[in-house]
Amino acid sequence: RKEVEQDPGPFNVPEGATVAFNCTYSNSASQSFFWYRQDCRKEPKLLMSVYSSGNEDGRFTAQLNRASQYISLLIRDSKLSDSATYLCVVNTNRGPTGRRALTFGSGTRLQVQP
Amino acid sequence: EAGVAQSPRYKIIEKRQSVAFWCNPISGHATLYWYQQILGQGPKLLIQFQNNGVVDDSQLPKDRFSAERLKGVDSTLKIQPAKLEDSAVYLCASSRGSYNEQFFGPGTRLTVL
Repeated sequence: RKEVEQDPGPFNVPEGATVAFNCTYSNSASQSFFWYRQDCRKEPKLLMSVYSSGNEDGRFTAQLNRASQYISLLIRDSKLSDSATYLCVVNTNRGPTGRRALTFGSGTRLQVQP
Repeated sequence: EAGVAQSPRYKIIEKRQSVAFWCNPISGHATLYWYQQILGQGPKLLIQFQNNGVVDDSQLPKDRFSAERLKGVDSTLKIQPAKLEDSAVYLCASSRGSYNEQFFGPGTRLTVL
């Protein structure tokens, strides 16, 4: 089982639609969670961190469910500029030295259509 | 503030050749990462440096890949000899510390023929 799993999509939605992505992680010791955005042929950029109580940033809402080991990203009122790949990222302590490592999912591709 | 710089942006080589990539992190960032991103996949961490020391290289194929960060600033990643499956984008990222946000460079797109 992969450490971080995402539906690759693509999700094709019209402008103005609401779309949600889920991501599951396998390591229950994972401590912090993020969503990154990656445009075609560009580098990943941090979209938002995911907090236990859930958090919102404009049209974007992130939720964490530790019991079921998944995180979600909700995008409201989709814009053409939201078209990108959304990477789920999990930060886990590894081993007795406490090394922390980011594990990236393979990403979910979103295409917003006019 | 200048971002993470990488060069070259593109490289095409034949299998069994050697190649080197260079990264200059954001000024003041102590932590530097090299990732490999194969088409259709998320970035996979190859190696993490804290200043000039290696923190994690558990996923680095050490028989062919090497990396160094001699003065705790810029870094090089080398592949020798390259294989077809090394075709990927190699991303460098930096952060103030391992608990801080990572900023990525534009990447080097490697094609091995």
